[in-house]
Amino acid sequence: AQSVAQPEDQVNVAEGNPLTVKCTYSVSGNPYLFWYVQYPNRGLQFLLKYITGDNLVKGSYGFEAEFNKSQTSFHLKKPSALVSDSALYFCAVRDMDTGRRALTFGSGTRLQVQP
Amino acid sequence: DGGITQSPKYLFRKEGQNVTLSCEQNLNHDAMYWYRQDPGQGLRLIYYSQIVNDFQKGDIAEGYSVSREKKESFPLTVTSAQKNPTAFYLCASSNLAAMNTEAFFGQGTRLTVV
Repeated sequence: AQSVAQPEDQVNVAEGNPLTVKCTYSVSGNPYLFWYVQYPNRGLQFLLKYITGDNLVKGSYGFEAEFNKSQTSFHLKKPSALVSDSALYFCAVRDMDTGRRALTFGSGTRLQVQP
Repeated sequence: DGGITQSPKYLFRKEGQNVTLSCEQNLNHDAMYWYRQDPGQGLRLIYYSQIVNDFQKGDIAEGYSVSREKKESFPLTVTSAQKNPTAFYLCASSNLAAMNTEAFFGQGTRLTVV
């Protein structure tokens, strides 16, 4: 079965510093990978997705993600963190194995940006 | 404007009571999904539907039921058989025509057992 793992429950970073939120994946075919952000008591907002051929993906709010096939990783990055980036971040993979095509999510990483 | 609307935002259920969560989309998406979110566990798939009048169980369907009578609507009923229903419920939809298309989410319904 396809899956994603987010090894860090929480990431702390100072405002203005670069940030990385880690995600590794396990798929049997081509991966369809996504990052979402969630603010308290709100739904998930799409940030970016992996499209075959572009290892560096640019998304919303200055976020980008680096796809690494050999390390099966899809880490979320931002060159300079803002306090307003503090939120819960989810990595997801589209389930192609079973045909249901739903997104399977990691457990989430809470990003805390300190002023 | 286009999107997914979930209602109500907050819902309280008494023991032994069935409650229904509403999800409506005007994005003309074929697929709709229900997820449950618990702290520290990410999102887990309850039910999904890829076409009108058809739906399939996800990973944690026990104690839940759904219907898909219209393309725009995918209501979720939390039955009395669901022993631990307190959670944040999220509805999503997506266009199945392209596999790299993202899913769009509603704002969620927080269900609490009282």
